[in-house]
Amino acid sequence: GAGVSQTPSNKVTEKGKYVELRCDPISGHTALYWYRQSLGQGPEFLIYFQGTGAADDSGLPNDRFFAVRPEGSVSTLKIQRTERGDSAVYLCASSNRGGRTGELFFGEGSRLTVL
Amino acid sequence: AQSVTQLDSHVSVSEGTPVLLRCNYSSSYSPSLFWYVQHPNKGLQLLLKYTSAATLVKGINGFEAEFKKSETSFHLTKPSAHMSDAAEYFCVVSDPSGYSTLTFGKGTMLLVSP
Repeated sequence: GAGVSQTPSNKVTEKGKYVELRCDPISGHTALYWYRQSLGQGPEFLIYFQGTGAADDSGLPNDRFFAVRPEGSVSTLKIQRTERGDSAVYLCASSNRGGRTGELFFGEGSRLTVL
Repeated sequence: AQSVTQLDSHVSVSEGTPVLLRCNYSSSYSPSLFWYVQHPNKGLQLLLKYTSAATLVKGINGFEAEFKKSETSFHLTKPSAHMSDAAEYFCVVSDPSGYSTLTFGKGTMLLVSP
């Protein structure tokens, strides 16, 4: 597609459930990023992939969060045993030049609500 | 560690009047700075970037920003606001040591009245 695609756009789940959020980056972009945006805050970095490998996962808040990018394209963010505090918009971005240039292309986000 | 502070959570202007969105940064290194815009139900979009070239940076849609090292500021301006400028604006600093971390400010919501 022309831009970064994220699915689902909205997800409502119950506390304790498992959730997967998917990101389709722009074709040919080798770098992929996940950010989380809580209400009233700016996006916060979670994890960065260069190709298939996680180059930097220092932003993942705890071991309930995990992300994969097995073929270097689509990525899935996985959240186990969801908590109410996980409610946020999860943003995916891709780039063909890396974050140093600041030019990341963002999707519209997946809004997660944990009841 | 680097950080940015956006001094106003909301700014209200009338259409046709100037826009000023304020941002101060803190960085141990010579920073790379950016402004992103987020329209309702749209993805974040890069407006402009400063990467140690000219201190006055021009972006899309008539926006510009000036890097002032002495004031540690990177304020965003536009001479004349348009209704379509209503959105949330984020000041961002890049981790100079790697490719991964963009640190976002909390955002400034720009409201434009007719």
